[in-house]
Amino acid sequence: KQEVTQIPAALSVPEGENLVLNCSFTDSAIYNLQWFRQDPGKGLTSLLLIQSSQREQTSGRLNASLDKSSGRSTLYIAASQPGDSATYLCAVPQTGGGGSEKLVFGKGMKLTVNP
Amino acid sequence: DTEVTQTPKHLVMGMTNKKSLKCEQHMGHRAMYWYKQKAKKPPELMFVYSYEKLSINESVPSRFSPECPNSSLLNLHLHALQPEDSALYLCASSLRDGNQPQHFGDGTRLSIL
Repeated sequence: KQEVTQIPAALSVPEGENLVLNCSFTDSAIYNLQWFRQDPGKGLTSLLLIQSSQREQTSGRLNASLDKSSGRSTLYIAASQPGDSATYLCAVPQTGGGGSEKLVFGKGMKLTVNP
Repeated sequence: DTEVTQTPKHLVMGMTNKKSLKCEQHMGHRAMYWYKQKAKKPPELMFVYSYEKLSINESVPSRFSPECPNSSLLNLHLHALQPEDSALYLCASSLRDGNQPQHFGDGTRLSIL
């Protein structure tokens, strides 16, 4: 059964820092990995999706990397801003049957960027 | 603003009421999803529709009844809910099932009295 872990559960940093958010998964036979952002009381915003054949994806100040063999992904946020404050979740499709539509989520990491 | 629209944004209902949650997308996506999210927890999958057919039901109690009337709409009919069903209900869609990014709506905040 796929399990996804995000450590730490919360992070508070001053504005301007470069950040690395970590995500690990137990079964490396994944199709892709998706990073989401969730603001309080809101739905999830898809940030980046990395296919299993890719090593990284970039969007603006965000860069996500994927190392399937070690079961890890990182989300790098450059020059953090207070507007980056949110909960960040990573998710992978369920493996071992059940369809790749079923996402297995980590518990998320709450990021606070202080001005 | 998201491309997946959910209504209502908030809903308060008694345990004997019948209500429906609605979700709409016009991105041409053929897979649609219902998730339930409790406070400080990740979303939990409830149902998946693929090409308007129910493809996954995660052993959800029958008091939750999904419906997909067409490729753009997804409903969740609620009846005789329990207080523990209070949560944020999220709808998502993807181009098709499997290996496609899922796009989420802002959810319906449901409170059961």
